[in-house]
Amino acid sequence: EAGVAQSPRYKIIEKRQSVAFWCNPISGHATLYWYQQILGQGPKLLIQFQNNGVVDDSQLPKDRFSAERLKGVDSTLKIQPAKLEDSAVYLCASSLDSGITDTQYFGPGTRLTVL
Amino acid sequence: GNSVTQMEGPVTLSEEAFLTINCTYTATGYPSLFWYVQYPGEGLQLLLKATKADDKGSNKGFEATYRKETTSFHLEKGSVQVSDSAVYFCALPFGQGGKLIFGQGTELSVKP
Repeated sequence: EAGVAQSPRYKIIEKRQSVAFWCNPISGHATLYWYQQILGQGPKLLIQFQNNGVVDDSQLPKDRFSAERLKGVDSTLKIQPAKLEDSAVYLCASSLDSGITDTQYFGPGTRLTVL
Repeated sequence: GNSVTQMEGPVTLSEEAFLTINCTYTATGYPSLFWYVQYPGEGLQLLLKATKADDKGSNKGFEATYRKETTSFHLEKGSVQVSDSAVYFCALPFGQGGKLIFGQGTELSVKP
């Protein structure tokens, strides 16, 4: 079974530029998460989708971050404009459903460096 | 709200030493508890989980017991190997819908 795919793996941009990340979850997984992992910290949830609807985006900085999951499969996360403090690894995860015992499977992440 | 606290690293051990990484939590009710591991250059992967009080999760020689009396879920391994070198994260769900809150991670380095 293929895992969660993410691209690109690395991205370097200058502040105030825009950037987009792509995630393809495990086939059949209804729930998709985006997490931000700053160096030396644990991942923090940005947004959760159930199929193509948003379940929780309360921790997404909506003035600069946006995310979508069209057709309930792939998802993109965008930052516009980027700030220095956005430098982090952006992790996508998926799970079969959104129950509290459902295992989340993580992709390799996209490492973003903002100069 | 739910929260999780892990012991700080880095932890450096010799091969075959005993490992304990402490994790304590605060939560409403009795949520599932998870340990995730992040090997160098790789994504997070589930190491083990426990879904109710007194459950013991185990995998790859690692164990953790869900202790509601002490609100703890400490990770243990009797004999670590160099290949266990990684960052370990304790996690539990918060709010509705399965999203996780993670500890800050504990880096383990095992020397031959």
